[in-house]
Amino acid sequence: SQTIHQWPATLVQPVGSPLSLECTVEGTSNPNLYWYRQAAGRGLQLLFYSVGIGQISSEVPQNLSASRPQDRQFILSSKKLLLSDSGFYLCAWSEGVDSNQPQHFGDGTRLSIL
Amino acid sequence: AQSVTQLGSHVSVSEGALVLLRCNYSSSVPPYLFWYVQYPNQGLQLLLKYTSAATLVKGINGFEAEFKKSETSFHLTKPSAHMSDAAEYFCAVSDSGTYKYIFGTGTRLKVLA
Repeated sequence: SQTIHQWPATLVQPVGSPLSLECTVEGTSNPNLYWYRQAAGRGLQLLFYSVGIGQISSEVPQNLSASRPQDRQFILSSKKLLLSDSGFYLCAWSEGVDSNQPQHFGDGTRLSIL
Repeated sequence: AQSVTQLGSHVSVSEGALVLLRCNYSSSVPPYLFWYVQYPNQGLQLLLKYTSAATLVKGINGFEAEFKKSETSFHLTKPSAHMSDAAEYFCAVSDSGTYKYIFGTGTRLKVLA
């Protein structure tokens, strides 16, 4: 069966520090991969998605970037964190072919910026 | 562009009462629709999905949803609420022609003893 791993679960970082959040999927090949941010009371905001290695689509201009160095690995990064980057970050995957396939979510990373 | 509207950011029901969480979508073509549940500090868990096979969709934990094209709705129901149903619920529609979802803003369900 397929599983998705996200780490770390919680992270406290000072303003201006770099960021690296990692997400890996097991048990499937060529998944679509997604990064979302969930701010308190504001629903889910799609940040990036990827349909293949090296293929990254950015949804909103921001202080973050994403990379997909391997088929089942998705990394969210920042060179310098802002206070506004605080939030709950969720990684998700779906089957690569059909848009009717559900997305499956990791357990999230709670990021607090001080 | 497609959109999803969840009416009521907070819903309270008594334990044992009917749960009704509303979702309306806008789409010019038959969409694929999903309901997810999120417990505090966790990711989203798929409750059920509509992919045009049947208008009444049964999901996990006793939830079901009915697709009504004439009303562009996909409301989530459960006959009898349990305390363990307290969580946030999200409706989502797949954006046709892409691999993206459009999520509603969520409804937080509170179950009263």
